[in-house]
Amino acid sequence: AQTVTQSQPEMSVQEAETVTLSCTYDTSESDYYLFWYKQPSSGEMIFLIYQGSYDQQNATEGRYSLNFQKARKSANLVISASQLGDSAMYFCAMSFNAGNNRKLIWGLGTSLAVNP
Amino acid sequence: DTEVTQTPKHLVMGMTNKKSLKCEQHMGHRAMYWYKQKAKKPPELMFVYSYEKLSINESVPSRFSPECPNSSLLNLHLHALQPEDSALYLCASSQVGTALRGTIYFGEGSWLTVV
Repeated sequence: AQTVTQSQPEMSVQEAETVTLSCTYDTSESDYYLFWYKQPSSGEMIFLIYQGSYDQQNATEGRYSLNFQKARKSANLVISASQLGDSAMYFCAMSFNAGNNRKLIWGLGTSLAVNP
Repeated sequence: DTEVTQTPKHLVMGMTNKKSLKCEQHMGHRAMYWYKQKAKKPPELMFVYSYEKLSINESVPSRFSPECPNSSLLNLHLHALQPEDSALYLCASSQVGTALRGTIYFGEGSWLTVV
């Protein structure tokens, strides 16, 4: 079975600090992708960053980086210089093939509060 | 700004009403998705369209009826819903095929309340 686990239901951080959101996964596949999405209270699901299982380097997108440790099956999201607007729910998801379609297995999410 | 647009943003409907949710994307994607999301939970996949054909139905009740008129549009027709169907409905799109790299992009969602 394929699973994604986010062990921190809630986190808080002070503005301008760096925060790490945890994501661990389990799969028997060798080819897979891991995604992070941000969901503010408005509801929009915003794509942040992804990492492929064969990618040699950790992904980086602006203030977001993904700390990918394949042997440990972890794909933590690192947000640097956190801002008040980073307060949101964050979901980790893993992509796998279902026939000719793509499905996502989701973690339960981490609610992040950035405090002034 | 998201390239997947959903209308309406908010919808309140009675249990005997018929309404529709609409979704449009202009990224050239040939796979489109409907997800349902309850508060503080991850999204749950409802339907997948691939090349305008329904390819996945996750055992969704027939009171939800999807439609894909063309490669850019996706509708979700709603009829005789129950209060427990109240949720955020997210539309998404992606490239088709077995390549896993393609990201699934979501719209802003439609908040549905059934009274």
